[in-house]
Amino acid sequence: ILNVEQSPQSLHVQEGDSTNFTCSFPSSNFYALHWYRWETAKSPEALFVMTLNGDEKKKGRISATLNTKEGYSYLYIKGSQPEDSATYLCAFTDKLIFGTGTRLQVFP
Amino acid sequence: DADVTQTPRNRITKTGKRIMLECSQTKGHDRMYWYRQDPGLGLRLIYYSFDVKDINKGEISDGYSVSRQAQAKFSLSLESAIPNQTALYFCATSDFGREHNEQFFGPGTRLTVL
Repeated sequence: ILNVEQSPQSLHVQEGDSTNFTCSFPSSNFYALHWYRWETAKSPEALFVMTLNGDEKKKGRISATLNTKEGYSYLYIKGSQPEDSATYLCAFTDKLIFGTGTRLQVFP
Repeated sequence: DADVTQTPRNRITKTGKRIMLECSQTKGHDRMYWYRQDPGLGLRLIYYSFDVKDINKGEISDGYSVSRQAQAKFSLSLESAIPNQTALYFCATSDFGREHNEQFFGPGTRLTVL
């Protein structure tokens, strides 16, 4: 069974801090890596779809990088805000395998 | 209006009962999925369908069945519900031709089996 691991499981930061977390996945037979943001009581929503080794994607203060050779992706949040509080999921497709998520809480 | 809808949003039932969860989408996507979410376990794939009448088992299909009679609808059935099927269930859609299977999720159905 393919395994997708995310670390840390949870993270508490102060408003204004920058933070990052990791998604590790099998490096063989890579297809795509997705990042989703999941706010409490809402549905997961896609942040990034990454397909090529060395990919870097950015959306506002959030960015992500991809290393398919070593099997990891980093998600960075610059200057965290309380509205960034959510669980961040990565998914290794096309096997549709999700990691357990990193739960981020940003305190004012 | 939401593009992916699920009914019911909440359901409490008893062990042994048959339950059906419905998913509808207006996105025109060909692919539909059912996931369950349990605390600490992330999202796990139950079944998926790439087209009408196409059914594929996911990681945890035992105890579940699905039906895809129309492109816009994908239903999940629990023939005889058991307490360890208590979970949050998400339906999702994707269009293979765009963004490498990016998933669009419904609002979720919280199912409790007593």
